[in-house]
Amino acid sequence: DGGITQSPKYLFRKEGQNVTLSCEQNLNHDAMYWYRQDPGQGLRLIYYSQIVNDFQKGDIAEGYSVSREKKESFPLTVTSAQKNPTAFYLCASSRVAGGNTDTQYFGPGTRLTVL
Amino acid sequence: GQQVMQIPQYQHVQEGEDFTTYCNSSTTLSNIQWYKQRPGGHPVFLIQLVKSGEVKKQKRLTFQFGEAKKNSSLHITATQTTDVGTYFCAGPDTGTASKLTFGTGTRLQVTL
Repeated sequence: DGGITQSPKYLFRKEGQNVTLSCEQNLNHDAMYWYRQDPGQGLRLIYYSQIVNDFQKGDIAEGYSVSREKKESFPLTVTSAQKNPTAFYLCASSRVAGGNTDTQYFGPGTRLTVL
Repeated sequence: GQQVMQIPQYQHVQEGEDFTTYCNSSTTLSNIQWYKQRPGGHPVFLIQLVKSGEVKKQKRLTFQFGEAKKNSSLHITATQTTDVGTYFCAGPDTGTASKLTFGTGTRLQVTL
C-alpha cells in the first residue's frame, strides 16, 4: 500500500528540548516538503528537498533543521531555537517533472505541543 | 514575494445551497491545483488546471482557471455535509517552480 507516513500523530515536549518528526514515503517521489499549519491558518513551507542530500529553506526555516539521506525519508527537527513550536506539522511528497512540482501527497500530520 | 489569496475566509451554508471560493494570485501561474482538508485531517489533492480559461467538473464541483491565469474558482452545487472542510488553491512558486505557494484557504461549514 503506497503512501506517506508521519509519526507520531501527537507529540508533547517540554520547552527547550529538540524534537524530531518522522516522514517516510514509498511513492518513489523525488521531492519532499515540510509545512507548518497553525489553527485556522494556511500552510507555510519550512523546508523542501528535490533530491537526496540536498534541501532548501522555505519561508519559515528558522529554528528548524532537516536531512535527506535517503529518498524515502525526510525527518524534521524542531530545535529549541524555534520560538513558538506548537503547531500541526505536515509532510508531503511529489514527483518533479522538468523542475516543476507535481501534485503533492500529504501525510496525516504530527500535532506537536510544547509545554 | 508571490501571494495567493482566497475569499471568503469562511462561509457557512445550509445543506443544498451553493458555495463558491475564489483564488487570486499576485503573479501568473503555469497551473493551479486545488486541495481539500477535512477538519483534523490533511490536505488531499482534488484537481489541477493548466490551460487558460479551463473548466473541469467533478460531480457537484466545478473548477475554473481564469483567462489571465492569475485567478481560479471552485463552485460546489447543492452542498452536502460531506463537503465540510477547508479548500486551498495552490500554484507553482514564481521563483522556484519546484515548490507550491498555497492560498489562504476557505473554510466551509455546512449545516442541515
